[in-house]
Amino acid sequence: EVQLVQSGAEVKKPGESLKISCKGSGYSFTSYWIGWVRQMPGKGLEWMGIIYPGDSDTRYSPSFQGQVTISADKSISTAYLQWSSLKASDTAMYYCARSVGWINWFDPWGQGTLVTVSS
Amino acid sequence: QSVLTQPPSVSGAPGQRVTISCTGSSSNIGAGYDVHWYQQLPGTAPKLLIYGNSNRPSGVPDRFSGSKSGTSASLAITGLQAEDEADYYCQSYDSSLSGSLVFGGGTKLTVL
Repeated sequence: EVQLVQSGAEVKKPGESLKISCKGSGYSFTSYWIGWVRQMPGKGLEWMGIIYPGDSDTRYSPSFQGQVTISADKSISTAYLQWSSLKASDTAMYYCARSVGWINWFDPWGQGTLVTVSS
Repeated sequence: QSVLTQPPSVSGAPGQRVTISCTGSSSNIGAGYDVHWYQQLPGTAPKLLIYGNSNRPSGVPDRFSGSKSGTSASLAITGLQAEDEADYYCQSYDSSLSGSLVFGGGTKLTVL
């Protein structure tokens, strides 16, 4: 079974750094793209960026370029989303999802990681 | 303001048919890029419902169907059931601003 399992919920203070993870299993991790999607409380889905673990080719949404870093460690089939300095406005649910190509659909999705940033 | 426009809400009685529209422009749907649809049940992650405009993944009931024409796409749900109550999102690719995946703002389906 193809699965993406994300790391657990995080509570952080403004200015702190954070790296959340997404581990793939049940398929060839290096042959598919992994995307990240933000969902702020009560709001819709926003595409943040995507990475191809096979060669680390990474694309970012203009809205998130420079705000986050997407990476992957193919040796452990895990993709990451990281912040160097969190803001309260980063409070949201973050989903990872698999794609066959960087402009294609997402399936399956991870269960989500809730990030809360509060002083 | 989403690049793809969806109605904020739609509703229907059990057994009825509802449609959800997704309106784009010449830089996304109108440029020929595919549209995909997701269902998000309350408190859960989104789930792929339709890919490539009109294709259903295995396990998705044939009550769900998708179509695309010009700069718009639609999701139709027939034989509405209580468990269909959820948020629905369309997604495509937009070639402006160096290219980006884009989602619609989402539509809340209420089963009356």
